[in-house]
Amino acid sequence: QVQLQESGPGLVKPSETLSLTCTVSGGSVSSGSNYWTWIRRPPGKGLEWIGYIYYSGATNYNPSLKSRVTISIDTSKNQFSLRLSSVTAADTAVYYCARVFGELFIDYWGQGTLVTVSS
Amino acid sequence: EIVLTQSPNFQSVTPKEKVTITCRASQSIGTSLHWYQQKPNQSPKLLIKYASQSFSGVPSRFSGSGSGTDFTLTINSLEAEDAATFYCHQSSSLPFTFGGGTKVEIK
Repeated sequence: QVQLQESGPGLVKPSETLSLTCTVSGGSVSSGSNYWTWIRRPPGKGLEWIGYIYYSGATNYNPSLKSRVTISIDTSKNQFSLRLSSVTAADTAVYYCARVFGELFIDYWGQGTLVTVSS
Repeated sequence: EIVLTQSPNFQSVTPKEKVTITCRASQSIGTSLHWYQQKPNQSPKLLIKYASQSFSGVPSRFSGSGSGTDFTLTINSLEAEDAATFYCHQSSSLPFTFGGGTKVEIK
């Protein structure tokens, strides 16, 4: 059973950079069958896809966030990470890491972590 | 970007009732449409993949149908534990997009 766990600060100041890491267990981020993704849910709103990464390091980002987002992967630690720069209150959300099976559907999700942007 | 429009936004239902949620895509996406259930304070869980295929371990009362632009999630004989927000998701083209969600409340 694949499990994912997000970690990182729960509070970030405006204009700073949000950084989260997702640790994967029960499976390998080096698997060629999967992509690894970040999704967020702002309070009272629906789900928003942020982007995904393949084990090779190839990435694809949501155009609405592309200028501020970097997703990276560390196969030696079985982790992947999210960095979102120049954050504002609008970036306050529960952030989920998840596995995308074959670039298609999302079959495993982390429990999510709330990140609040506030001074 | 493909826009997914779900309806209704909210539904209050009695146990054992049938629930139907629709998801309409702004352009044809074949069957690249998936459904998730998110209960309060939990992460979303995959219910249906490729419009109509049940994911492993999902109760048989959940079913999906549709192709092209119009899709339906059906819950036959709703149970109290099914209270949640349901989302559709398309993977036909990037960026991935989600519907706005349908909250199902138990009366």
